[in-house]
Amino acid sequence: QQQVKQSPQSLIVQKGGISIINCAYENTAFDYFPWYQQFPGKGPALLIAIRPDVSEKKEGRFTISFNKSAKQFSLHIMDSQPGDSATYFCAAEGTGRGATNKLIFGTGTLLAVQP
Amino acid sequence: DAGVTQSPTHLIKTRGQQVTLRCSPISGHKSVSWYQQVLGQGPQFIFQYYEKEERGRGNFPDRFSARQFPNYSSELNVNALLLGDSALYLCASSFPGAGTEAFFGQGTRLTVV
Repeated sequence: QQQVKQSPQSLIVQKGGISIINCAYENTAFDYFPWYQQFPGKGPALLIAIRPDVSEKKEGRFTISFNKSAKQFSLHIMDSQPGDSATYFCAAEGTGRGATNKLIFGTGTLLAVQP
Repeated sequence: DAGVTQSPTHLIKTRGQQVTLRCSPISGHKSVSWYQQVLGQGPQFIFQYYEKEERGRGNFPDRFSARQFPNYSSELNVNALLLGDSALYLCASSFPGAGTEAFFGQGTRLTVV
């Protein structure tokens, strides 16, 4: 019940295309859903995050879509660029009373954007 | 502004040895969390410390321990190292409270031989 399932494992997209990464969770106590970007040799960096009171959040070329009833959320990268090539992780966290900063991460998606 | 700093960046240890990893959080952040990231997987939560107290613990054996100092820096200790402990160890700092942005350091790459 603590798992966050992420797909696909890897993704190849042409420059200018749309990259889509999907995640699903089971624990209904999760109510904070961030996406992290990680380059080789670096720690994860927060891209964008959403809470379940909204169905979509957009920041620049990055959009999170959230489906609370299906317990699924996805990251869309519009106009994908070679510099977006990295590993992307979805994560989930419960923020209820007594909750701690415990992020549950997905298994990651290795994105390659071809020029 | 300095981000989260971790030391050392790389470390090679022998099975059975002990290791100490260090983390300095972003100035003003009082919460520090530790994660283990095995190659090809997502980070796994090990500990959270806030105000020098353990606030959360993941599913790791007692060989793993940590502490937080008055200046909010933190150490992660791993005893009796196993080959399977080889991983990238990440430290994240944040303001206290779930749902706040966690800022990660670049990690310590531990190799156990």
